[in-house]
Amino acid sequence: EPEVTQTPSHQVTQMGQEVILRCVPISNHLYFYWYRQILGQKVEFLVSFYNNEISEKSEIFDDQFSVERPDGSNFTLKIRSTKLEDSAMYFCASRPGQGIDIQYFGAGTRLSVL
Amino acid sequence: AQSVTQLDSQVPVFEEAPVELRCNYSSSVSVYLFWYVQYPNQGLQLLLKYLSGSTLVKGINGFEAEFNKSQTSFHLRKPSVHISDTAEYFCAVRDKAAGNKLTFGGGTRVLVKP
Repeated sequence: EPEVTQTPSHQVTQMGQEVILRCVPISNHLYFYWYRQILGQKVEFLVSFYNNEISEKSEIFDDQFSVERPDGSNFTLKIRSTKLEDSAMYFCASRPGQGIDIQYFGAGTRLSVL
Repeated sequence: AQSVTQLDSQVPVFEEAPVELRCNYSSSVSVYLFWYVQYPNQGLQLLLKYLSGSTLVKGINGFEAEFNKSQTSFHLRKPSVHISDTAEYFCAVRDKAAGNKLTFGGGTRVLVKP
């Protein structure tokens, strides 16, 4: 069964460093998402991406964050200068398209900012 | 803004006993409702969904949920749990008037005891 793949499973970085979290959505899906879950808190929406542009973003998704679909298969989340409070589990999700309203999630990348 | 409440953060239950996980969302004219399950060290897996039609929906692994519009609830039930049902369960809502994002509840950790 097709699945959303995220790498790495765990990323450790120093405060102020840039990180890129990678996701390979399910082939032929058209909508892509990033969510995060800070330890002990709810899963929160960050951003959605469709037709090579951001379709929606939350207030969390400030100028430190960016997303890209560089090659038609990968979907990346970049954090330019990480802060301690960016430590969280980051989930990527993809959705087939109009009329199929199910988001399929990856296993997540745990980001630890030291 | 949409909000989702899962009243129980943890539910211990004996094997073969029934379980109900409660989910309430803030009022909205039109919503899609989902339950996801997260097994240890895995991603979010869709258990079941309500998009339209019958208010009683059946999902994988013997779970079912009932959409109650008047009470803005979408409680999840299973008549007889197994040890393998030990996991964290998340209720999620997509408010059709507020874009594509999912709003998650805080999760309920189910611990099935032998």
